[in-house]
Amino acid sequence: DAGITQSPRHKVTETGTPVTLRCHQTENHRYMYWYRQDPGHGLRLIHYSYGVKDTDKGEVSDGYSVSRSKTEDFLLTLESATSSQTSVYFCAISESTNEKLFFGSGTQLSVL
Amino acid sequence: GNSVTQMEGPVTLSEEAFLTINCTYTATGYPSLFWYVQYPGEGLQLLLKATKADDKGSNKGFEATYRKETTSFHLEKGSVQVSDSAVYFCALAGGTSYGKLTFGQGTILTVHP
Repeated sequence: DAGITQSPRHKVTETGTPVTLRCHQTENHRYMYWYRQDPGHGLRLIHYSYGVKDTDKGEVSDGYSVSRSKTEDFLLTLESATSSQTSVYFCAISESTNEKLFFGSGTQLSVL
Repeated sequence: GNSVTQMEGPVTLSEEAFLTINCTYTATGYPSLFWYVQYPGEGLQLLLKATKADDKGSNKGFEATYRKETTSFHLEKGSVQVSDSAVYFCALAGGTSYGKLTFGQGTILTVHP
């Protein structure tokens, strides 16, 4: 299994609070991604990174920001959480753009 | 834009039954197509892929053929096992980036002994 660790695994927070999710990889892969999974929508890309300090927006980036200061860590921040951001968040990595994704086990986030 | 539509689920089968999960897509150009599987409590894993028309992806007894004329990529398995119970996602990559995927909504498969 690819070395991907997401933390926390579960989080409950209140509307309006900031939240940061962490993805840590030990594979030294260049590309990292954040997806959210919602019933009826499958997975949707939030942001991705193609190197240290190189990030770009995905399909559903509003309300989210990311940072990548080291190859191994990719952080997803909800500046002011809303109930619509209740979801399961998955981090994924790949060695290059035409290689398959490896997914982490996910973070269940509930915004009350 | 790109989109993927999967058959409505959930799907419930008896062990050794034949499985088909339909997937159709809308995309410009020549996308690459994927099936990912998610076992309970885990992240997604790539099951199979096809990168051009008429390609057949296969893995663990599962198969899917890239049909450009019908814009489809249906997943099939001749004899399912209880261990195949999972959520199956069809996905496409519109360009050369296999990480920027458009997913279908997922199909829950339950296989009973």
